[in-house]
Amino acid sequence: EDQVTQSPEALRLQEGESSSLNCSYTVSGLRGLFWYRQDPGKGPEFLFTLYSAGEEKEKERLKATLTKKESFLHITAPKPEDSATYLCAVQGGFWGKLQFGAGTQVVVTP
Amino acid sequence: DSGVTQTPKHLITATGQRVTLRCSPRSGDLSVYWYQQSLDQGLQFLIQYYNGEERAKGNILERFSAQQFPDLHSELNLSSLELGDSALYFCASSDGTGDGYTFGSGTRLTVV
Repeated sequence: EDQVTQSPEALRLQEGESSSLNCSYTVSGLRGLFWYRQDPGKGPEFLFTLYSAGEEKEKERLKATLTKKESFLHITAPKPEDSATYLCAVQGGFWGKLQFGAGTQVVVTP
Repeated sequence: DSGVTQTPKHLITATGQRVTLRCSPRSGDLSVYWYQQSLDQGLQFLIQYYNGEERAKGNILERFSAQQFPDLHSELNLSSLELGDSALYFCASSDGTGDGYTFGSGTRLTVV
């Protein structure tokens, strides 16, 4: 069965202090790896899809990278508005279903 | 607004009761997915429909059922509710290309 493990569980950063979140996965035939951002009580918001090892995508202060076993979400010079839970998910095997990790809760303080 | 509409936003009901959650997918999306999110379980896949047909099932309880109608909206029916069914229920839709889903804002179900 597909498995996704995210670390750390929680991360507290000072504004401007860059860091990385990790997503390790096991999946039979990776179709795509997805990053979402979720604010409390809200639905997950799509950030990136990565399809193959070596691929990178950027959006504002966020950059996602992918290897054969893990993905990283780099947050560069974060701002308080980057505070959220970041979810990683994989799509493998049959088409459609996403398997989510437990998430990393990020708090950025001024 | 993501384009995926879920109603109601909040629902409080008693144990043993039955409720129906509704989801309207983004315009043009044929696939609908239902997920349950509780504090200790994270996002758990329940069921997927594609153009009216069931496509995949996750760890969905027998007390739960879903369907997708010809106009592509979907309903998740939860019956014989237990305290442990209290959670956020999310619907998501996709256009079928597999390039990620768009989630709705969820229905918060509280069973008392």
